Amino acid sequence: DTEVTQTPKHLVMGMTNKKSLKCEQHMGHRAMYWYKQKAKKPPELMFVYSYEKLSINESVPSRFSPECPNSSLLNLHLHALQPEDSALYLCATSRGLRAYEQFFGPGTRLTVL
Amino acid sequence: GESVGLHLPTLSVQEGDNSIINCAYSNSASDYFIWYKQESGKGPQFIIDIRSNMDKRQGQRVTVLLNKTVKHLSLQIAATQPGDSAVYFCAERGAQIGGSQGNLIFGKGTKLSVKP
Repeated sequence: DTEVTQTPKHLVMGMTNKKSLKCEQHMGHRAMYWYKQKAKKPPELMFVYSYEKLSINESVPSRFSPECPNSSLLNLHLHALQPEDSALYLCATSRGLRAYEQFFGPGTRLTVL
Repeated sequence: GESVGLHLPTLSVQEGDNSIINCAYSNSASDYFIWYKQESGKGPQFIIDIRSNMDKRQGQRVTVLLNKTVKHLSLQIAATQPGDSAVYFCAERGAQIGGSQGNLIFGKGTKLSVKP
């Protein structure tokens, strides 16, 4: 299995809602990433998990809370988001020694009303 | 700081022609440069990488050139096909901290359109 899957594909939420984005991979990769991508912009790194431990948090606001329950799953918990958080949220994975070759999921299109 | 950018936001080519997508980078310490392709509605897809001690690397229908003197990276696509239509991002592997691998820093992207 060489796929990274993300659910849901689309999500609309209000500023007071709590929701979660999910990412799953079965490639045995031990590094997992969350990126945020605004329209017509490049992906921006948010979080990196290495062997299920958070290794990098790129100064992301606390209304975004990542979680890695096991080596196949990565979640992003959302709470009290702002309209400017509307974006495509991408999950990616990589093998340890080739971290520059990342395998991306199709993303979750998030709209915050 | 570290940054990777693009010279052109859009590129239109005729099917069958060769395409050249350019990228400028600023961090001389980056050790890998990478090209990603992002089709509409999909996540980025790895195309090819080049190590900083090389100046050319070829893949299937693609060639990446690295000119460290002027900090310039390019992606050449031979015999461009409609399926090549996408946004192409260059990226560099950023600073490595301690024993960890550096992370990707993406450039702005070039949208390639292929005319039949």
